[in-house]
Amino acid sequence: EAQVTQNPRYLITVTGKKLTVTCSQNMNHEYMSWYRQDPGLGLRQIYYSMNVEVTDKGDVPEGYKVSRKEKRNFPLILESPSPNQTSLYFCASSLRGIDRGPPYEQYFGPGTRLTVT
Amino acid sequence: ILNVEQSPQSLHVQEGDSTNFTCSFPSSNFYALHWYRWETAKSPEALFVMTLNGDEKKKGRISATLNTKEGYSYLYIKGSQPEDSATYLCAWCNAGGTSYGKLTFGQGTILTVHP
Repeated sequence: EAQVTQNPRYLITVTGKKLTVTCSQNMNHEYMSWYRQDPGLGLRQIYYSMNVEVTDKGDVPEGYKVSRKEKRNFPLILESPSPNQTSLYFCASSLRGIDRGPPYEQYFGPGTRLTVT
Repeated sequence: ILNVEQSPQSLHVQEGDSTNFTCSFPSSNFYALHWYRWETAKSPEALFVMTLNGDEKKKGRISATLNTKEGYSYLYIKGSQPEDSATYLCAWCNAGGTSYGKLTFGQGTILTVHP
């Protein structure tokens, strides 16, 4: 089954304790992205990757790191989580248009609800 | 952050009504415009991706139009049903420089269809 998986789905942690949220897709998609969703603020892009070894900042990258060593995986790392990073996080992936074009429709993972106390 | 704005923020309609919402986006550095449907407790699902000025897309009772020169897109739902109740999101894809490929979402329009 074609899908985007995220782990963990739920996480409660404490300020400063490094964590990684994994994201994996099995659709051979070039484009992958991380978003956070906060009430009243909609979906905001954290980082995105147009292909392996290529990552770029979205609108809210502060406090996050990513890497894209393999096509299928795009982990999100919080080196020192803070309470303002409490949020619902989505990973997504998509194909790109011909000739290295824009991302097509995003396929979203199930979401990871993170609470930092 | 370049703004993508959606209106109205929320909408209540009766079953059978037709409705439409607006997404406004920067007309410069345009690459693509996406529409998504997001039901409560689920993940967003893609409806349309449009790239060309004047594009019109249709899926069942839902259709969308695109005007890249003036920076807006309309989403139409014909004969709304209770199962259409969801948040509808648009996202603008940037073609410019270091933001090439970045997706900026609007805050969404929450649609509630009453039986």
